[in-house]
Amino acid sequence: ETGVTQSPTHLIKTRGQQVTLRCSSQSGHNTVSWYQQALGQGPQFIFQYYREEENGRGNFPPRFSGLQFPNYSSELNVNALELDDSALYLCASSFNRGFSYEQYFGPGTRLTVT
Amino acid sequence: GENVEQHPSTLSVQEGDSAVIKCTYSDSASNYFPWYKQELGKRPQLIIDIRSNVGEKKDQRIAVTLNKTAKHFSLHITETQPEDSAVYFCAPQRERDGGTSYGKLTFGQGTILTVHP
Repeated sequence: ETGVTQSPTHLIKTRGQQVTLRCSSQSGHNTVSWYQQALGQGPQFIFQYYREEENGRGNFPPRFSGLQFPNYSSELNVNALELDDSALYLCASSFNRGFSYEQYFGPGTRLTVT
Repeated sequence: GENVEQHPSTLSVQEGDSAVIKCTYSDSASNYFPWYKQELGKRPQLIIDIRSNVGEKKDQRIAVTLNKTAKHFSLHITETQPEDSAVYFCAPQRERDGGTSYGKLTFGQGTILTVHP
């Protein structure tokens, strides 16, 4: 198992609400990436945080936002939830030494939007 | 953006047989090629990876081969065991996107491997 942790494990929200998901990176890692995995599909890149700043973003609308803290942990915030936001949200930590290889995933947060 | 395809989408083998999954990608700037294993309800687990300056890498029963010219790489599992049953994802990555250096993994759609005892 990796040292990457996520909370909460499961979450049920109503359409239009806001949600915050949390991720603690593996010891020694300074970069956190977030992915969305819909049922039966591969994970899709949302964005990456390095040195407390967004360091690359996938094709997700601005209502998906994030933060990284000085201890390298991270939050993913989603506003105005839609039914299609129901998915497994995964964070992955890595060490950026000019590039980030070897990303290690946390167990994920299962978000259900009703 | 990067297009990533895996074949086959499902693979069923008998215990002890070999399994091969192929991943084709479109971005010639990709230079890092990992494979992830995801068991039902669990996190993706990095099982092997290869960088563009290497053609083949092996770790016990698992190997990855890379053909950068043809833009594909393959996962090879020998002497398969029931515990190898899972979904396998390839996720090629480029080192830089424009002026930004970051690691965006682009996942394939996955291959469901079933190993029958």
